Amino acid sequence: DGGITQSPKYLFRKEGQNVTLSCEQNLNHDAMYWYRQDPGQGLRLIYYSQIVNDFQKGDIAEGYSVSREKKESFPLTVTSAQKNPTAFYLCASSITGTPGELFFGEGSRLTVL
Amino acid sequence: AQSVTQPDIHITVSEGASLELRCNYSYGATPYLFWYVQSPGQGLQLLLKYFSGDTLVQGIKGFEAEFKRSQSSFNLRKPSVHWSDAAEYFCAVVTYSGGGADGLTFGKGTHLIIQP
Repeated sequence: DGGITQSPKYLFRKEGQNVTLSCEQNLNHDAMYWYRQDPGQGLRLIYYSQIVNDFQKGDIAEGYSVSREKKESFPLTVTSAQKNPTAFYLCASSITGTPGELFFGEGSRLTVL
Repeated sequence: AQSVTQPDIHITVSEGASLELRCNYSYGATPYLFWYVQSPGQGLQLLLKYFSGDTLVQGIKGFEAEFKRSQSSFNLRKPSVHWSDAAEYFCAVVTYSGGGADGLTFGKGTHLIIQP
């Protein structure tokens, strides 16, 4: 079945460590997104990519980095510069030309100890 | 900048009763509007969308929404809720920059509780 796979589902890290969240899709979608979700805050856009080898910052990109070397993969690195990284992270994809029709993964919950 | 407001943080509805979740948007032109649903610990699923044309749009799971430009609203409705509808509901609008569509701006969500 086609879809988006995020891993790991749960992740714990110590302060000062970088951590990378994986996002893989087999939907053949051009666009991919990373959102952060905090209780009562809705979803906020971290980074997005419309095409391979190109990506743009979203509203809260500070302390995060991404790469888009392959169409199906869009990993997110949470760096030690992110001051409050504990959150639920959601990856999504869409077909170019259908803005807003996002397909979401099941999310990764990161907890900083 | 585009924005979305969901005035109700929590709503409690009895099973079998009707439901209306409110959403107000801020956008100068005709917006592209969406409703998504999220079960606990899961990703989001698209319920319905409005691009243009008929202002009453039908979605999955028996939901519908009505676009009212005069009120800048896009409220979600369901005539009779089921216990399985308990979830978090998000209204969203497509955002644009000089380079085109950037993605979605989401409201903060409405948590729907279903009473037996």
